Amino acid sequence: DVKVTQSSRYLVKRTGEKVFLECVQDMDHENMFWYRQDPGLGLRLIYFSYDVKMKEKGDIPEGYSVSREKKERFSLILESASTNQTSMYLCASTEQLNSPLHFGNGTRLTVT
Amino acid sequence: RKEVEQDPGPFNVPEGATVAFNCTYSNSASQSFFWYRQDCRKEPKLLMSVYSSGNEDGRFTAQLNRASQYISLLIRDSKLSDSATYLCVVTLLNTGFQKLVFGTGTRLLVSP
Repeated sequence: DVKVTQSSRYLVKRTGEKVFLECVQDMDHENMFWYRQDPGLGLRLIYFSYDVKMKEKGDIPEGYSVSREKKERFSLILESASTNQTSMYLCASTEQLNSPLHFGNGTRLTVT
Repeated sequence: RKEVEQDPGPFNVPEGATVAFNCTYSNSASQSFFWYRQDCRKEPKLLMSVYSSGNEDGRFTAQLNRASQYISLLIRDSKLSDSATYLCVVTLLNTGFQKLVFGTGTRLLVSP
């Protein structure tokens, strides 16, 4: 069974801090994604990666960057956290882009 | 027009009822379709893929209507444990990559 692990379940950070959200998957999937989920807006894609060191912007990349140095790990970076980045962050992976996504259990980030 | 639209609900039904949700999509080139289930404050989990010929898994039936550009989910004999938010997901090819678009979800509440 695919396991996608996000490093933190809950995180509280201050405005202006640099924040790292880590995601690891154990199924050798090439494709990994970062989403944020907000009430009434659904899941919105921030960035995705289809291979090591490759990344593509999603729908809302502003204020975020990503790193994929190893196939199993995809990191989301908030360069300077702001209160409007308070959200639930979900990492996902999939073997093929037309296959279902496997999600991590999410990181609920609060920026104060 | 949104790429994927769902009635947010909530749909309030008694145990044992049959309930159906629709999800409309705007891009006729959409290729793959899925239903996910999301419990409160948890990550989305794949419920079922939606095939052109329709598919059934126990009490759940999913159908695709390409002509009218919608997918549906039918739940028979509703259980209390079916209470959740149901997300539809549509994929389409976008600038060389498959893009997954999530609906904002339909909330189902099953009462005793």
